[in-house]
Formats: sequence, C-alpha cells, structure tokens
Amino acid sequence: AQSVTQLDSQVPVFEEAPVELRCNYSSSVSVYLFWYVQYPNQGLQLLLKYLSGSTLVKGINGFEAEFNKSQTSFHLRKPSVHISDTAEYFCAVKAGGGADGLTFGKGTHLIIQP
Amino acid sequence: NAGVTQTPKFQVLKTGQSMTLQCAQDMNHEYMSWYRQDPGMGLRLIHYSVGAGITDQGEVPNGYNVSRSTTEDFPLRLLSAAPSQTSVYFCASSYGQGGETQYFGPGTRLLVL
Repeated sequence: AQSVTQLDSQVPVFEEAPVELRCNYSSSVSVYLFWYVQYPNQGLQLLLKYLSGSTLVKGINGFEAEFNKSQTSFHLRKPSVHISDTAEYFCAVKAGGGADGLTFGKGTHLIIQP
Repeated sequence: NAGVTQTPKFQVLKTGQSMTLQCAQDMNHEYMSWYRQDPGMGLRLIHYSVGAGITDQGEVPNGYNVSRSTTEDFPLRLLSAAPSQTSVYFCASSYGQGGETQYFGPGTRLLVL
C-alpha cells in the first residue's frame, strides 16, 4: 500500500513571492506521482506528474516539482505566485502497474496575501 | 467533448434513503473511479472499474455499490444513506490504469440528515 504526507495543511505567502509545497510518500513498489489543484467549488485539475526520466517536472501555470527518490519526496514549487494561485493542492501517488486508483495526501491550502 | 459529467450537483437525503449518483464520460476512457472528499482527509477511493463489466473495491467501499454496463457510465449507488456519507463525491476517468492523467468531474455534494 502507498501513503502520502503533505507536511503543511496551510501555507500563507505574499503575492510574487516563491512558494514550496511539501509532499513525502511511502511505497514498497515503484510509483507514479501527481500534483492536482482544486479551486473553490470545483473538481481537481492536473498540475503535473512524474512517471519516469528527468526528476524535474514542469507543469501548467508555472509550477514545477522535483522527484527525489532517496528522500521519497515530490515537492511542488513556483518562483512567483499570484492571487489566482489561491487554491487547495493535492499530492497523489499511484502504484506502477496497479489497477487501483490514486492515493491522495490531505491537501495544502495555499493562501496568497496581497 | 463534455469530459466527465456528474449529476446531481447537490442532494439532500434523509437517513435510510437510497439514491444513485450519476457519472458519465465521453472520452472513451476504460478506467473510471469514484472518490469521496471530506474536510482534512483528502480524497479517498471508493470503487473503481477497469472496463465495462469489471469493478473492484477501493479504500472505503462500505455502503456503496457500483456497476459498469457501458464504457461511458459509472453510477454510484447509496443503498441506505447514513450521516457518515455526507461528503463531496468525485468521479474520475482515464485512458488506462497506469500513469495516465485522471480527469475529474465537478463533484456532487451530498448531505445526509
């Protein structure tokens, strides 16, 4: 079984400042890693994913994440945030080759302060 | 393409009532799944399907029933609603069951009194 820990339930940051949202995972098998964003009263939208290859993954809206196998981490970063980035962010893992779905973290609420 | 659609958007039930949450996708995706989202809990997998006629249980299947008679539709049935099933329910679909992107519907808010 897999598990995901998002270390911060809430992250306040000033507009145009950089941000990092932390995600650690646990799994006995190889995994695929995902970051999803949820805007208020909406469904989830994929930001980026890591399947294999380069450990630095670039996604939509200027976000990127780095896969670190030795630290079992997949932290999400953005160099300069905007008010429109205010949302809930979810890290998720899926066992490679498994048929079951995504295992999600509890989410991090990103609050952008003007 | 409409993507993944869910109906209804909001529903209020009394304890013991039954209902079906509808989910449909028009992307010809083989893989479909249901999640529930509760405050501070993230999303948890209820049931999933790898194709028409094939379903399996996820992390929290108790109190829910599913079937998959067509590729497009994957309804979720609450047989006897309980207050603990108050939640937001999301349906998702993807082309395959590996690292493919899962596309989520807009969700159904369910309140059980």
